[in-house]
Amino acid sequence: DTEVTQTPKHLVMGMTNKKSLKCEQHMGHRAMYWYKQKAKKPPELMFVYSYEKLSINESVPSRFSPECPNSSLLNLHLHALQPEDSALYLCASRPGHGSMNIQYFGAGTRLSVL
Amino acid sequence: GIQVEQSPPDLILQEGANSTLRCNFSDSVNNLQWFHQNPWGQLINLFYIPSGTKQNGRLSATTVATERYSLLYISSSQTTDSGVYFCAVGGETSGSRLTFGEGTQLTVNP
Repeated sequence: DTEVTQTPKHLVMGMTNKKSLKCEQHMGHRAMYWYKQKAKKPPELMFVYSYEKLSINESVPSRFSPECPNSSLLNLHLHALQPEDSALYLCASRPGHGSMNIQYFGAGTRLSVL
Repeated sequence: GIQVEQSPPDLILQEGANSTLRCNFSDSVNNLQWFHQNPWGQLINLFYIPSGTKQNGRLSATTVATERYSLLYISSSQTTDSGVYFCAVGGETSGSRLTFGEGTQLTVNP
């Protein structure tokens, strides 16, 4: 099973709302990622968690707050977003060890900020 | 960081045609993945190929690490092959990062 599950699939929120995106994997992977993808552009890395610790933050605004409660679960908490934050948010995971350094992606959450 | 260039940016084919997509990268890599992003946004792993040649059905890929390029071959294309193909690489100094190319938008017409 190489599945990364993201919920919800679609989300519409106002600029004053607080919402969360969820990502789950049961492959025993120890590295998990959040990416943001705008239309007709490649995914851009936001955050990396390695062994449940934040290892990379690509200077993401504080209105995006990641959380890794355990090795299988990754959340992205959203607060006071702007319309330009509307995008496809992708989660990925990889084993975190060994020579096969493959990242597996979820289907994404399509976010619209009104 | 590593620079990744993909070509062509857009490709339109008739069903049944063959095609070659190219990915050039600027530094040595220890990770190279080809993805297909379908119209619903799902990024599907096609190949993990930091070097060598692999085949999977109508798709094959070759990476020549010493010359810093990778090729993705699609034979007998089908309409379901439409979408965006991304090459993503990681190097020794990249840590956990993958750097994506801009992608090739493939349209296969019936």
